[in-house]
Amino acid sequence: DTEVTQTPKHLVMGMTNKKSLKCEQHMGHRAMYWYKQKAKKPPELMFVYSYEKLSINESVPSRFSPECPNSSLLNLHLHALQPEDSALYLCASSQEEGVDYGYTFGSGTRLTVV
Amino acid sequence: KNQVEQSPQSLIILEGKNCTLQCNYTVSPFSNLRWYKQDTGRGPVSLTIMTFSENTKSNGRYTATLDADTKQSSLHITASQLSDSASYICVVSAMDTGRRALTFGSGTRLQVQP
Repeated sequence: DTEVTQTPKHLVMGMTNKKSLKCEQHMGHRAMYWYKQKAKKPPELMFVYSYEKLSINESVPSRFSPECPNSSLLNLHLHALQPEDSALYLCASSQEEGVDYGYTFGSGTRLTVV
Repeated sequence: KNQVEQSPQSLIILEGKNCTLQCNYTVSPFSNLRWYKQDTGRGPVSLTIMTFSENTKSNGRYTATLDADTKQSSLHITASQLSDSASYICVVSAMDTGRRALTFGSGTRLQVQP
């Protein structure tokens, strides 16, 4: 298995809703990442997990809450989002945290906040 | 500040034609450079990865070049197909920061027309 699987593919939520995005990989990668991508813009790093521990939080608002239950799973819990949070949310993984390891990206979750 | 500039921003070509996309970077110290293909609403997929000592790398109809002296890279697509329509993103990694080290270009949006 050489894929990163993200669910759901599409999500529409109200500003008072609570929802979660899920990411799964079975490549034995020990680093996992969340990126946010707005239309026609490059991905922006949000969080990095290394060996199931939060390694980087790029000053992301607390309405986004990451969780890494085990080495294969990465969740992003969403609460009280704003319309400007609508974007494509990408999960990625790599063998280890660091720049010399290839990143495998998931297909993303298209989030719309109404 | 590390930056990656891509040109052109968008490109329309006819099916069967060749094209070349450009990437200029100021990332230092350089570690590697990756080209990704991203279909609309999907995650980036790696095409090539090049390190400092590599000048050319091919992946099927995709050929990437790297000039580490001038800090330029190009992606040449041969005999384009309709399925090549996508955004092509250049991503440059710094060598030793370990963290916050990927710099994404804004991408070139390629449209291949019949």
